[in-house]
Amino acid sequence: AQKITQTQPGMFVQEKEAVTLDCTYDTSDPSYGLFWYKQPSSGEMIFLIYQGSYDQQNATEGRYSLNFQKARKSANLVISASQLGDSAMYFCAMRESGTTSGTYKYIFGTGTRLKVLA
Amino acid sequence: NAGVMQNPRHLVRRRGQEARLRCSPVKGHSHVYWYRQLPEEGLKFMVYLQKENIIDESGMPKERFSAEFPKEGPSILRIQQVVRGDSAAYFCASSPRTGYNEQFFGPGTRLTVL
Repeated sequence: AQKITQTQPGMFVQEKEAVTLDCTYDTSDPSYGLFWYKQPSSGEMIFLIYQGSYDQQNATEGRYSLNFQKARKSANLVISASQLGDSAMYFCAMRESGTTSGTYKYIFGTGTRLKVLA
Repeated sequence: NAGVMQNPRHLVRRRGQEARLRCSPVKGHSHVYWYRQLPEEGLKFMVYLQKENIIDESGMPKERFSAEFPKEGPSILRIQQVVRGDSAAYFCASSPRTGYNEQFFGPGTRLTVL
């Protein structure tokens, strides 16, 4: 069964430092997509970054980068130069290919709560 | 603003009442997903709809929950005879076509059952 695991319920990081949020996944599907979302206290889901299973290079979006290690089935999010506004819940998600179900639904991890310290 | 709209943003119901949650997808998107987020948990898939069709409802509770996405108008998630355990945030997401990488999420509806 497809699964996303985030083993860090909470993390602290000093402002301006880099932080890595862990995410491992399990799937037998050769084609899948991996996403990271930020959920601030206001509750909305903010898309941060996407990595396709066939992408050769790690995805980057501004201060966000995704450390994709396919053989280890990990897709860790790296936030560089943390800011106070980065304090939020972060979710890793996987989109299945949908070749059998046709659904392409997302499977989410349980999240990591990040607190940036001044 | 062409983003996903959800209303109401907050909904309070007493046990036994009905809750109707609305989702207007991004203009031009014909695929809608509903997810539920229980307190302190990640989002869980409920149902996937295309215009006038339910494609996958494998995440929907068997009773009291239903969803539709009519040819005209928003997608509706209906919860009949709500119970306290239905209190959660309900998110809608849309995409323009099958297999599109990204789903665009709405701001969510927070349902509180008293």
